Amino acid sequence: GAGVSQSPRYKVTKRGQDVALRCDPISGHVSLYWYRQALGQGPEFLTYFNYEAQQDKSGLPNDRFSAERPEGSISTLTIQRTEQRDSAMYRCASSPEAGSYNEQFFGPGTRLTVL
Amino acid sequence: DQQVKQNSPSLSVQEGRISILNCDYTNSMFDYFLWYKKYPAEGPTFLISISSIKDKNEDGRFTVFLNKSAKHLSLHIVPSQPGDSAVYFCAASSPTGKLIFGQGTTLQVKP
Repeated sequence: GAGVSQSPRYKVTKRGQDVALRCDPISGHVSLYWYRQALGQGPEFLTYFNYEAQQDKSGLPNDRFSAERPEGSISTLTIQRTEQRDSAMYRCASSPEAGSYNEQFFGPGTRLTVL
Repeated sequence: DQQVKQNSPSLSVQEGRISILNCDYTNSMFDYFLWYKKYPAEGPTFLISISSIKDKNEDGRFTVFLNKSAKHLSLHIVPSQPGDSAVYFCAASSPTGKLIFGQGTTLQVKP
């Protein structure tokens, strides 16, 4: 079956531009998580949703970052006025149920480069 | 403040031998731990997990051990195979399901 997909796979943008990263979770999965991964590091939590409700956005670095999941399926992570320090791999994961004790299925990621 | 630490950036073992990957955590509230495996250009793939009420979980060649008093877990792979060469991430789950990852350990299994 189809796994988690993310688009675009690669995004190069100029500093100051806005970007929107899309995540398409596994159909029927309740929870959707966004992570950011720097080179040589593990994924770092940004935010997550149960259905369409954003439950925790404590990992978002600042107010230039926002995320939505309006219909409880596809999610978009938006970065406004991008800066070079935003360059990273952005990963999305989904989980069939909410809470702990659940495996998260990761997508291939979007590699963002801000020039 | 790194809540989950993998202190060995890399590990090299001979095919057929045991690979032991280690992970330490600081938060006693973590109740579920997972190991993920990552190949280049792919997302992390779930490998094995363990609940905090257990001290061992085994799945084929993979066994995870949890020592709660030491806040330490380890992944044993035996026998190691060249296809096991990848980056391995340890992760701890908060009650909400948020995962806190270690920095990863690159395992190389030599034929």
